[in-house]
Amino acid sequence: GIQVEQSPPDLILQEGANSTLRCNFSDSVNNLQWFHQNPWGQLINLFYIPSGTKQNGRLSATTVATERYSLLYISSSQTTDSGVYFCAVDTGGFKTIFGAGTRLFVKA
Amino acid sequence: NAGVTQTPKFQVLKTGQSMTLQCAQDMNHNSMYWYRQDPGMGLRLIYYSASEGTTDKGEVPNGYNVSRLNKREFSLRLESAAPSQTSVYFCASSEGGPGANVLTFGAGSRLTVL
Repeated sequence: GIQVEQSPPDLILQEGANSTLRCNFSDSVNNLQWFHQNPWGQLINLFYIPSGTKQNGRLSATTVATERYSLLYISSSQTTDSGVYFCAVDTGGFKTIFGAGTRLFVKA
Repeated sequence: NAGVTQTPKFQVLKTGQSMTLQCAQDMNHNSMYWYRQDPGMGLRLIYYSASEGTTDKGEVPNGYNVSRLNKREFSLRLESAAPSQTSVYFCASSEGGPGANVLTFGAGSRLTVL
């Protein structure tokens, strides 16, 4: 099956810093989603981005489907950005496969 | 709107006991899913229901059964719990269909099997 790899596995930032999270996938995908899991365990969908670029406030995401990767940009990070960021893909159908995540800690 | 509601939030079982996790969504979504999350890992798909009346296996279905009771409700049953099933379980739903698989998750159910 398709493999989803995220990097880095862990990231510590000072508040106000910028960061880039990467998601590589091993096969063509129909769809790609980015999620944020907050420290209380809640999963929030950030982007649904099979290709191209989207922006939402301080967050933006770019997927280059032909090269099988996606990037999540966090600008001017805040302590509330802490948590785990997951990339999830599907190859058509209903099986959405998750990467292992990037754990982010933003220091005040 | 409550979105996706899971019950119970916490449960402790002994090995061999059975239990059912309940999930309900009020967004009129067609598709529903059960995932498990283990420490340091992403979410793994257990079962899913593409539409009312259908269920299919995901990545890790062994030891579980599901029922799509109606369009709103999708339950996950452990017939004989094992310590390896200690995990956090998440239910999710989506509109379903091409380009409409944006997942909305419940708050999770933490299960411990002793």
